[in-house]
Amino acid sequence: EAGVVQSPRYKIIEKKQPVAFWCNPISGHNTLYWYRQNLGQGPELLIRYENEEAVDDSQLPKDRFSAERLKGVDSTLKIQPAELGDSAVYLCASSFPGTGSYEQYFGPGTRLTVT
Amino acid sequence: KQEVTQIPAALSVPEGENLVLNCSFTDSAIYNLQWFRQDPGKGLTSLLLIQSSQREQTSGRLNASLDKSSGRSTLYIAASQPGDSATYLCAVGGTASKLTFGTGTRLQVTL
Repeated sequence: EAGVVQSPRYKIIEKKQPVAFWCNPISGHNTLYWYRQNLGQGPELLIRYENEEAVDDSQLPKDRFSAERLKGVDSTLKIQPAELGDSAVYLCASSFPGTGSYEQYFGPGTRLTVT
Repeated sequence: KQEVTQIPAALSVPEGENLVLNCSFTDSAIYNLQWFRQDPGKGLTSLLLIQSSQREQTSGRLNASLDKSSGRSTLYIAASQPGDSATYLCAVGGTASKLTFGTGTRLQVTL
């Protein structure tokens, strides 16, 4: 079974430029999460989707961040414009609530460096 | 607001030793608790998940325990190996889906 796929793995951009990250969850997992992990810290949730609906985006900085999950499968997270403080690893995870466990499976992440 | 603390922040042990990593949380009303491993530059690998109704889970040389009333979980690693070197993260599920992470314990197992 393929795991969570993310691309790109690495991205270096100048501040004020836009950037987008893509995630393909595990097949059949209808819950999708985006997390941000700063250096030396644990991941923090940015947004959670149930199918195509964003059910928790309270931690998403909506002035510059946006996300979408078309057809309830793949998802894209966008930052525009990027700031120096956005440098972090952006992780995507998915889960299948049908088991009742809500165990989350993570992708390899996208390491963003803003210069 | 749930807060998760992991102690120690870093740990170095010789190969073959048994070790315990600690995780504490402030709100005992949890749905589950998940332990992850993270290798440098990589994503998170799920090691064990404990539902709120369970006391422990085991997988190979790993054993995780949960004491909701005291707000604590431990991850026990038996007969440590150099390949166990990584950062171990504890994450508490406060609702069915939302995880709150600790800052991790960086483990180094030396030859």
